[in-house]
Amino acid sequence: GIQVEQSPPDLILQEGANSTLRCNFSDSVNNLQWFHQNPWGQLINLFYIPSGTKQNGRLSATTVATERYSLLYISSSQTTDSGVYFCAVEPGAGGTSYGKLTFGQGTILTVHP
Amino acid sequence: GAGVSQSPRYKVAKRGQDVALRCDPISGHVSLFWYQQALGQGPEFLTYFQNEAQLDKSGLPSDRFFAERPEGSVSTLKIQRTQQEDSAVYLCASSLANRDYGYTFGSGTRLTVV
Repeated sequence: GIQVEQSPPDLILQEGANSTLRCNFSDSVNNLQWFHQNPWGQLINLFYIPSGTKQNGRLSATTVATERYSLLYISSSQTTDSGVYFCAVEPGAGGTSYGKLTFGQGTILTVHP
Repeated sequence: GAGVSQSPRYKVAKRGQDVALRCDPISGHVSLFWYQQALGQGPEFLTYFQNEAQLDKSGLPSDRFFAERPEGSVSTLKIQRTQQEDSAVYLCASSLANRDYGYTFGSGTRLTVV
């Protein structure tokens, strides 16, 4: 099956710093999503981004599908950004699909005040 | 409702006991997924429903696991004769048929088998 690798595995920041999280995947994808899992375990969908660039406040994401990677940018980090960030993909190249996701191992982000 | 609701939030089961985990998706969401998340790992796919039809159950780890969604809304994941390795967080997610909207996950049920 498709392989999803996230880096770095752990990241410690001081409040206000910027960071870049990376997701590499081994095959073409129909669907790529970034999630944030907060310390209470809730998974929040950040971006649906199989290609291109999107921005939402201090967060932005870019997926270069042809090179099989995606980046999540966090600017001016806050303590509430702490948690685990997951990249998840659905393999495919434009065929029928329904959203079955394969998750990476995640990046654990800790933001200190 | 406004979000995906799962119950119970926590469940402790004795080994060999049967358990039932409930998922109430967002109203109108056609697609429903169950995932299993072991400690320190990313979620892993268990099964998928489109309305009441279970279209993919390839991720169910054994025949002790069974899921249903009889009326295309609420879904139940049942685990028979629980084993210690079943201890995990079980997550439910729903989405509109148009996946451009992405997933909405519930808060999960943390199952501990003792």
